[in-house]
Amino acid sequence: DIVMTQSPLFLPVTPGEPASISCRSSESLLHSNGYYYLDWYLQKPGQSPQVLIYMGSNRASGVPDRFSGSGSGTDFILKISRVEAEDVGVYYCMQALQSRTFGQGTKVEIK
Amino acid sequence: QVQLQESGPGLVKPSETLSLTCTVSGGSISGYYWTWIRQSPGKGLEFIGFIYYSGSTNYNPSLKSRVTISLDTSKNQFSLKLSSVTAADTAIYYCARFYGARLRSGYYYYMDVWGKGTTVTVSS
Repeated sequence: DIVMTQSPLFLPVTPGEPASISCRSSESLLHSNGYYYLDWYLQKPGQSPQVLIYMGSNRASGVPDRFSGSGSGTDFILKISRVEAEDVGVYYCMQALQSRTFGQGTKVEIK
Repeated sequence: QVQLQESGPGLVKPSETLSLTCTVSGGSISGYYWTWIRQSPGKGLEFIGFIYYSGSTNYNPSLKSRVTISLDTSKNQFSLKLSSVTAADTAIYYCARFYGARLRSGYYYYMDVWGKGTTVTVSS
């Protein structure tokens, strides 16, 4: 199984400031088609997860452009350029190369 | 706008079979892949499996021996059965739709619509 490891697990943030979350996979997530099979999801308090980023760096429909994804190989980052209060919740990375496995989650809270 | 709603018993006895249904409204079940995900305090988010509208399935290897996912296109529903449950199967169960983003060759699938989730407790 591909193991996904996120850091930090807890991230206090200040509105208006940038924030970033790291995700590392136990194997490269590069598919033979040249794309990275890595998604980011946000689970807001009391809600189901919602997709933010797919294929490592593609924003899903309706996702604000303050969210961006990058990375290669086994190391990926989710960045929020300017955190807003509505961005609180738990962020998960998920690999889609072999079945699907999620990271442990990073809880983002306002300082 | 497509919406998903999970339904089924909230309490299942150990060794019995957990059965859940996901009803798709606001759109057709045809043409998409549909999936089950669960979330427990101990194991976090866990992929269970998915089914294509044609009926082909793919399961998490760790659950494969106990899982069956099926669908009923006439009712716009798909279902999950998990046999021989134990306390470790206590979780919130979500159904979701896979959306296919077109690539140069083929598609990339990610979960774009989720149900609200239903809590299932395994206890005698």
